[in-house]
Parts: sequence; C-alpha cells; structure tokens
Amino acid sequence: QLQLQESGPGLVKPSETLSLTCTVSGGSISSSSNYWGWIRQPPGKGLEWIGSISYSGSTYYNPSLKSRVTISVDTSNNQFSLRLSSVTAADTAVYYCARHTIRMATAGTLDWLDPWGQGTLVTVSS
Amino acid sequence: QSVLTQPPSASGTPGQRVTISCSGSSSNIGSNYVCWYQQLPGTAPKLLIYRSNQRPSGVPDRFSGSKSGTSASLAISGLRSEDEADYYCAAWDDRLSGPLFGGGTKLTVL
Repeated sequence: QLQLQESGPGLVKPSETLSLTCTVSGGSISSSSNYWGWIRQPPGKGLEWIGSISYSGSTYYNPSLKSRVTISVDTSNNQFSLRLSSVTAADTAVYYCARHTIRMATAGTLDWLDPWGQGTLVTVSS
Repeated sequence: QSVLTQPPSASGTPGQRVTISCSGSSSNIGSNYVCWYQQLPGTAPKLLIYRSNQRPSGVPDRFSGSKSGTSASLAISGLRSEDEADYYCAAWDDRLSGPLFGGGTKLTVL
C-alpha cells in the first residue's frame, strides 16, 4: 500500500525559504504513469494546488506561486521536495504531498490526487 | 485566485439524501473531468470520486458523482453521522494547467 509522509521545519521566518520533503513508501516514485504533487491548506480555509512533478522531472506549477516554487525529485531515495522562497505569513498552512495521476484524454484531462500524506503544519513567523 | 464554486454548508438528517453542487467554467468542469475529496475533521483529504462519477475501491456506493456542462454534483444517500466532513470538488483547469479546487462544503449531519 502506497504511503506518503511529509517532513521539514514547522516554523520558518518571513523572507526565508520553506523546504519540505515527501517520502514515498510501498511503491516506486519512478512509475512513469504518475506525477507527485504538493497541496496546501491555510488554517480554516480551502485547498490550493502548488505544483506537481514526474519522476523524470517534468513539472506543472500553479502560476500564482510559480515565481517562488521549486519542486524536485530524488528517485534514489524515493522522495520529492518542495521549496518556496520569500515566504510571508500568508504561506502559513498545512502542506500535503500526494500522488497525482494525470491523464490527457480526447474527452478532456482526467486527474486525481490519491493517496495523500498526513500533512505538516508550517508556520511563518519571526 | 479563482476557485470552483461550492455552497459553504449543507446539512441533512441520518438516512436522508444530500447533494452538493460545484460550479465552474468552460476551462475546467466544462472540458475536463471532476473529482471529489472528503476531509474528515483533523485529517488529510481522501479521494471520494474521480473521472466525474467513478468511486475508488473502498468508497461506499452511497456516494455518487455527476457532471453536466460546467457544473458537477456529489450525492450522498443514506446519510450517516460519519459522513460529517468537508467536501471539495476539483477539476483540471486548462488555463492553470493544474487542478482547481472548490472552496469546500461543510456537511453537518443533524
């Protein structure tokens, strides 16, 4: 059974860079059919997709965050990572990682996020 | 940032049928498939419906999804107390080149 686990600092200072890692177990991150994504949820608010990466390094980024986001993959350790630069209090959120299935079909794009990690709260504060 | 439009809240009594709507546009629901996620209090979201109307293994058939034009719906029949959760719709958005989420609907079982 595939499982994902986020790890990283729970507190980041304003203007610094947030760095998180997602470790995948129970399966290989190198599956050619999957992407691996990051999603965040500010306290008491809804979900926001940050970006996704394939095992080969192809990426999709949310345009609203693209200038500050870097997602990378480490196939040797079955991990993928998120870096978000120049953080502010507005970046305080629970950050989730998930397997992101994306299929481009003639009738449209089919995608879903499953499974998800348990999430990790990152607070931006001095 | 634009999101898909969901009612902020919904409610029902045990055994009832409840529907939650999700409204989008031609760049997302109108041209791509919809999925639904259930987020129980204090937990990570869980995939409930994908490909607009397909249930992953293990999801009860009390949950069903549908899509028409630029709108989608999640129906829950035989409502149970354990269905009390936040529900999010999502669809790939061609302008975003990524999934766009709804604002979420908090379902209360009275």
